[in-house]
Amino acid sequence: KAGVTQTPRYLIKTRGQQVTLSCSPISGHRSVSWYQQTPGQGLQFLFEYFSETQRNKGNFPGRFSGRQFSNSRSEMNVSTLELGDSALYLCASSGVGTGFYNEQFFGPGTRLTVL
Amino acid sequence: GENVEQHPSTLSVQEGDSAVIKCTYSDSASNYFPWYKQELGKGPQLIIDIRSNVGEKKDQRIAVTLNKTAKHFSLHITETQPEDSAVYFCAASYAGGTSYGKLTFGQGTILTVHP
Repeated sequence: KAGVTQTPRYLIKTRGQQVTLSCSPISGHRSVSWYQQTPGQGLQFLFEYFSETQRNKGNFPGRFSGRQFSNSRSEMNVSTLELGDSALYLCASSGVGTGFYNEQFFGPGTRLTVL
Repeated sequence: GENVEQHPSTLSVQEGDSAVIKCTYSDSASNYFPWYKQELGKGPQLIIDIRSNVGEKKDQRIAVTLNKTAKHFSLHITETQPEDSAVYFCAASYAGGTSYGKLTFGQGTILTVHP
């Protein structure tokens, strides 16, 4: 079974621009979560989608948004990029539809650098 | 919200020794505790997890223990090998209610196994 895939793997943007990252979950998985990983703040939860609906959201500004498509693929968007948005953005998929136990499998991440 | 503390931040052992990483959590409602291993340039890999109705779980050289009363859980790696060198993260989650997809992570432990 193929794992979680994320594209692109690396991205360089300048302040003020916007960016869209893509995630394809493990086949059959319907829940997709996004995390931001930085050396200072560690791994922080951004949001979770299931059946095209955002069910949970972390403590990030509204510049961070996402969506999920009917095939469970998900995208996240960051608008008006700031230097502090430089991070590894990780996507995780889960096959547990009810979310009762959040066994999550991570992709390799997208490394975003904001100049 | 949930807070997870992880110790030590770095751990250096000789090949063949055991390694122990400890985590404490704050929210007594948390009921799912996964451990992840992250190698350089890769996303976190789920290596073992434990649920609140279990006190201990073992998988070959890896074991996890959970003390719900004290709100702490630990990862034990026996007979360490150089390929165990990586960053290890503990996490806690309340699976239920509106906490869909949200894992709260510890700050990570850099494990180095010397040949």
